[in-house]
Amino acid sequence: GQSLEQPSEVTAVEGAIVQINCTYQTSGFYGLSWYQQHDGGAPTFLSYNALDGLEETGRFSSFLSRSDSYGYLLLQELQMKDSASYFCAVRDRRDDKIIFGKGTRLHILP
Amino acid sequence: EPEVTQTPSHQVTQMGQEVILRCVPISNHLYFYWYRQILGQKVEFLVSFYNNEISEKSEIFDDQFSVERPDGSNFTLKIRSTKLEDSAMYFCASSEVDASTEAFFGQGTRLTVV
Repeated sequence: GQSLEQPSEVTAVEGAIVQINCTYQTSGFYGLSWYQQHDGGAPTFLSYNALDGLEETGRFSSFLSRSDSYGYLLLQELQMKDSASYFCAVRDRRDDKIIFGKGTRLHILP
Repeated sequence: EPEVTQTPSHQVTQMGQEVILRCVPISNHLYFYWYRQILGQKVEFLVSFYNNEISEKSEIFDDQFSVERPDGSNFTLKIRSTKLEDSAMYFCASSEVDASTEAFFGQGTRLTVV
């Protein structure tokens, strides 16, 4: 089976940098994705890592270490609109589905 | 920008009734999914659909659930006899290639079973 672990909540200050960690356990591994979900909204895709290393997209970056079964999402220059839940998600190579973690609620203080 | 659309946005139904949730995936996408999210909890996989058949389903997707792609554009989730615990937000998603890359989610249907 698959399991993902991420912190339930993180708090940071506007303008700061925050890192949300995710560890996973899967029988196979195809890639790690990150999704953002605002209250009452749909999950929206942020990033995808299939290989080790850092992927940067504007203020957001995502990192993967396959050997450590670990990844993180880095958010820079935090804005109030970044207040949301962030989910890491994996695909087991054998299965055609995305398994989501329980999500990290990001609170941003002015 | 292309998007996944879901109807209705809200559905209230009595326990034991059948409901059909509708989705129009992005037109050139080949993989379709249903997920659900109970209020305040994580997004849970229900089923994936490719090439006009179910490719994967979870333990949640039991005999009371079914999916269909009745024509070239719609993708439906039917719950035959709803239970109180089926109350959740149901999201449809589609992806161009497969589950390894970006999945586009619709805005969801909030199902309330009373």
